[in-house]
Amino acid sequence: AAGVIQSPRHLIKEKRETATLKCYPIPRHDTVYWYQQGPGQDPQFLISFYEKMQSDKGSIPDRFSAQQFSDYHSELNMSSLELGDSALYFCASSTSDVAYNSPLHFGNGTRLTVT
Amino acid sequence: AQKITQTQPGMFVQEKEAVTLDCTYDTSDQSYGLFWYKQPSSGEMIFLIYQGSYDEQNATEGRYSLNFQKARKSANLVISASQLGDSAMYFCAMNDAGNMLTFGGGTRLMVKP
Repeated sequence: AAGVIQSPRHLIKEKRETATLKCYPIPRHDTVYWYQQGPGQDPQFLISFYEKMQSDKGSIPDRFSAQQFSDYHSELNMSSLELGDSALYFCASSTSDVAYNSPLHFGNGTRLTVT
Repeated sequence: AQKITQTQPGMFVQEKEAVTLDCTYDTSDQSYGLFWYKQPSSGEMIFLIYQGSYDEQNATEGRYSLNFQKARKSANLVISASQLGDSAMYFCAMNDAGNMLTFGGGTRLMVKP
């Protein structure tokens, strides 16, 4: 079965650089979520999109932005990177905009290291 | 305020034995969902089991079952016949208001041969 595809798997950037993470949801999933998981921490919700519109916003820094495109893939853009942005970034998708009606399926994550 | 509490940072279990991972939650909503995810050392988040707040029966998926006690606001994960491959971090999560899941701090399970 098709899963959520994230690219790249690993990314190394320097402070103050920019990074773009990509996410391709499971086919026919219309909702995409972005999570950030710091070392030894639980995943923290950043932002979600339903039918290409932002549906919820969590603890996403102003330096980050995201969007969902017409083909439902999503990109997380991160600017002015800081050391504290080093984390595992997950994308997840589901079939509806209400998570309790369907589970979130996560991608394998992008491990971002900021040096 | 902490919405999801997992009180066991780490646990050991003997191979082939059953183990229960605790999870308590806090919400004032009547409609919510509870999820368990497994995160191996490789990092991916694997969905295990889901329980809806209106589901009267406990959810089961193979060797995984969810012991749902609504009045006590607990949603413990039971893994039967533990295998070495079950060694991983386990996260309990909840959705109530909004789309996103809120995760607990996780429990690291280590299965001993």
